[in-house]
Amino acid sequence: AQSVTQPDIHITVSEGASLELRCNYSYGATPYLFWYVQSPGQGLQLLLKYFSGDTLVQGIKGFEAEFKRSQSSFNLRKPSVHWSDAAEYFCAVGAMGRGSTLGRLYFGRGTQLTVWP
Amino acid sequence: DTEVTQTPKHLVMGMTNKKSLKCEQHMGHRAMYWYKQKAKKPPELMFVYSYEKLSINESVPSRFSPECPNSSLLNLHLHALQPEDSALYLCASSPRDRVLNTEAFFGQGTRLTVV
Repeated sequence: AQSVTQPDIHITVSEGASLELRCNYSYGATPYLFWYVQSPGQGLQLLLKYFSGDTLVQGIKGFEAEFKRSQSSFNLRKPSVHWSDAAEYFCAVGAMGRGSTLGRLYFGRGTQLTVWP
Repeated sequence: DTEVTQTPKHLVMGMTNKKSLKCEQHMGHRAMYWYKQKAKKPPELMFVYSYEKLSINESVPSRFSPECPNSSLLNLHLHALQPEDSALYLCASSPRDRVLNTEAFFGQGTRLTVV
């Protein structure tokens, strides 16, 4: 069965420090992977996605993620965090749903990022 | 236009009220979704419309009734809700009906409070 694990519920970093948010997935076929960010009370904004090709993908706001098939991971990174990056981050995998020919997104539980000034 | 627009942004309703949430997109997307999100939790899929037909219903109680009047609009009709239905309701759309390899665009959500 498909699933997404974000092991860290809450991460705190200082502004200017580097960041890595972890994501592991379980899916039998080629995964389609996404990172979304959500500010309080807002909708989800796509940061980046991986469908195929280069395993290091660049996204918006200076974020990047690396797909590692051998580790079933898709970790999100940023070299220098800004205070405005404080938000909830969701990793998701696009996969086939049960009893359906349509795909659907399966979300991890999210990682709350706090940035200290 | 790359937006998914949801109205209203906030809604307070009594348990005997009938209300509707509205979602609109003008990107020509053929798949539209309703998600429910409780605080500190990930979004939970409720319904999927593909080419204006209901394709997925994730065993949602009948007090939630979706409707897709045309390819740009998606409604969620609410009736006899319970306080535990209070949540952020998110609408999303995607260019193709198979979300495996295409991204979903989310609206800003409707914050629903049932009193």
